[in-house]
Amino acid sequence: DSGVTQTPKHLITATGQRVTLRCSPRSGDLSVYWYQQSLDQGLQFLIQYYNGEERAKGNILERFSAQQFPDLHSELNLSSLELGDSALYFCASSVEVAGGAETQYFGPGTRLLVL
Amino acid sequence: AQSVTQLGSHVSVSEGALVLLRCNYSSSVPPYLFWYVQYPNQGLQLLLKYTSAATLVKGINGFEAEFKKSETSFHLTKPSAHMSDAAEYFCAVIHQGAQKLVFGQGTRLTINP
Repeated sequence: DSGVTQTPKHLITATGQRVTLRCSPRSGDLSVYWYQQSLDQGLQFLIQYYNGEERAKGNILERFSAQQFPDLHSELNLSSLELGDSALYFCASSVEVAGGAETQYFGPGTRLLVL
Repeated sequence: AQSVTQLGSHVSVSEGALVLLRCNYSSSVPPYLFWYVQYPNQGLQLLLKYTSAATLVKGINGFEAEFKKSETSFHLTKPSAHMSDAAEYFCAVIHQGAQKLVFGQGTRLTINP
């Protein structure tokens, strides 16, 4: 158990819908990362937040957005869903010391299926 | 741009045999390197990481990896495979000063009895 929790574990929805994925980081971690794992794209970085502020952005679609709240939990919002958005979405957290050498601890993921 | 390449999407070894999973990186300066393991229906778990302290890095579950700058490699090894090692393994890189992990495509390890 990494200490990172994600809800829900599974999500089934229809095209065009909107969903929200939730992540609670490890106690004391200020940084939250979102990754998408799909069969065709592999594991890809989406976005990072640090203490409530967006820090880095990766291959995140405009239909997707995220935020980190004062209690440090984070939500990833996916809208106008398409079949291709079906994937496993991971959240990771770290304390974030400058330099990038620290470990990112991953949650169990949310498996999204868009029908 | 930094990237990481894992040679072999599937590797199969016999129980008790040597495990060797290959990873090569491309970066203008030595990056930080990681190996993660993903068991079926689970998240990613850190096996080990290289942060320039020592070129031979020992991780959990008997795995180790050696950073070779001349070969731009960070191959993962385990002397004797166990059935419980069956999983998908990901090599990842972070450039110094950056934060996002860049993953290889993964190698699925199968252990034959």
